[in-house]
Amino acid sequence: DAGITQSPRYKITETGRQVTLMCHQTWSHSYMFWYRQDLGHGLRLIYYSAAADITDKGEVPDGYVVSRSKTENFPLTLESATRSQTSVYFCASSENRDLGYTFGSGTRLTVV
Amino acid sequence: GQQLNQSPQSMFIQEGEDVSMNCTSSSIFNTWLWYKQDPGEGPVLLIALYKAGELTSNGRLTAQFGITRKDSFLNISASIPSDVGIYFCAGPSNAGGTSYGKLTFGQGTILTVHP
Repeated sequence: DAGITQSPRYKITETGRQVTLMCHQTWSHSYMFWYRQDLGHGLRLIYYSAAADITDKGEVPDGYVVSRSKTENFPLTLESATRSQTSVYFCASSENRDLGYTFGSGTRLTVV
Repeated sequence: GQQLNQSPQSMFIQEGEDVSMNCTSSSIFNTWLWYKQDPGEGPVLLIALYKAGELTSNGRLTAQFGITRKDSFLNISASIPSDVGIYFCAGPSNAGGTSYGKLTFGQGTILTVHP
């Protein structure tokens, strides 16, 4: 199916565990983004990528790692999950920012 | 960095009422985008604006690109319960290099519609 898909949709993990959130897009868009959304904070950019093997930090990168070995995939890893990383995570992709981003449906992560 | 200020932060309205919200920037934008986020879903693009003064409609939604290029407005006419959600404005980040593809988002306006 064409589009942008995130997995899992829901995840509960324990403090200190490593967890990876997956993002896959079928359009071969150059740009991909990870955001977190918390009440009262809107969308905050964690990491973004301009192309395969090119990634850069966003507004709130601490505690997260990304990679982009293939254009279509942009996984986000929490190296050692903390309760403050409980949030809803959105992946997005774009070929031209003037046309906007297309967002995935989100992953709701709870760290206990 | 660039900031977009959206207002109001939240609105509680009765079904059938019209809604207005706006977004202002400290710097000039060449593109304004409006997104809607339904509860439990990712934001979806509603309207894109590319020219100062431009007025664009999408059904009951109308958005305008401000003449100063530092603001934009979104109006919803005759609201219905499914208009509930968070509305975000966005514009291109003014950073260069690999940041060229980035958008800056406003904090969102939370809309609640009472039947």
